[in-house]
Amino acid sequence: SQLAEENLWALSVHEGESVTVNCSYKTSITALQWYRQKSGEGPAQLILIRSNEREKRNGRLRATLDTSSQSSSLSITATRCEDTAVYFCATAASSGSWQLIFGSGTQLTVMP
Amino acid sequence: EAAVTQSPRNKVTVTGGNVTLSCRQTNSHNYMYWYRQDTGHGLRLIHYSYGAGNLQIGDVPDGYKATRTTQEDFFLLLELASPSQTSLYFCASTAGGWAETLYFGSGTRLTVL
Repeated sequence: SQLAEENLWALSVHEGESVTVNCSYKTSITALQWYRQKSGEGPAQLILIRSNEREKRNGRLRATLDTSSQSSSLSITATRCEDTAVYFCATAASSGSWQLIFGSGTQLTVMP
Repeated sequence: EAAVTQSPRNKVTVTGGNVTLSCRQTNSHNYMYWYRQDTGHGLRLIHYSYGAGNLQIGDVPDGYKATRTTQEDFFLLLELASPSQTSLYFCASTAGGWAETLYFGSGTRLTVL
């Protein structure tokens, strides 16, 4: 079973609106990363947040981490059409040996 | 800007065919990874390597071999391709292991008929 999972398969918003993608995970972690994958491209990292951090920002992006509830969120403000992509969370966890475990992703569509 | 280059971009082969996917990184990274991406499964780790000559088994290694010939080059080999291996394959590299940023290539779409 997946050790990291986004909570929704798909979201859609209109340009300019804010949106939040949530992620839950099942084991203790050293760090959580958010990646974005646009159509026809490989994933690209947006934010890396370590287990001793509660919030990290990158421009219009804000990630939070709650280790007590084993969850994270990625918020995007003032969305643009080019934010349309699949958003993944990935956790660096120890499950026998260290691995980076990706969730299945949330498809975000930003409409004009 | 970290660079990971995969080739070919697209590949079609027949069942039982022999396929080699290539990956080169110019980031001076020690760690390299092969993932496959399928709808509903996200990214799944096939093999990875800590350096030239090193090979580690990932989560879905069956039917795949890999070889790391230099720090830059990592190859994925399918010696008897099957339709279940039809997928989108990504190579990635990182400097310091699992808790660091992965830099991905643009992917190879493989179709096994």
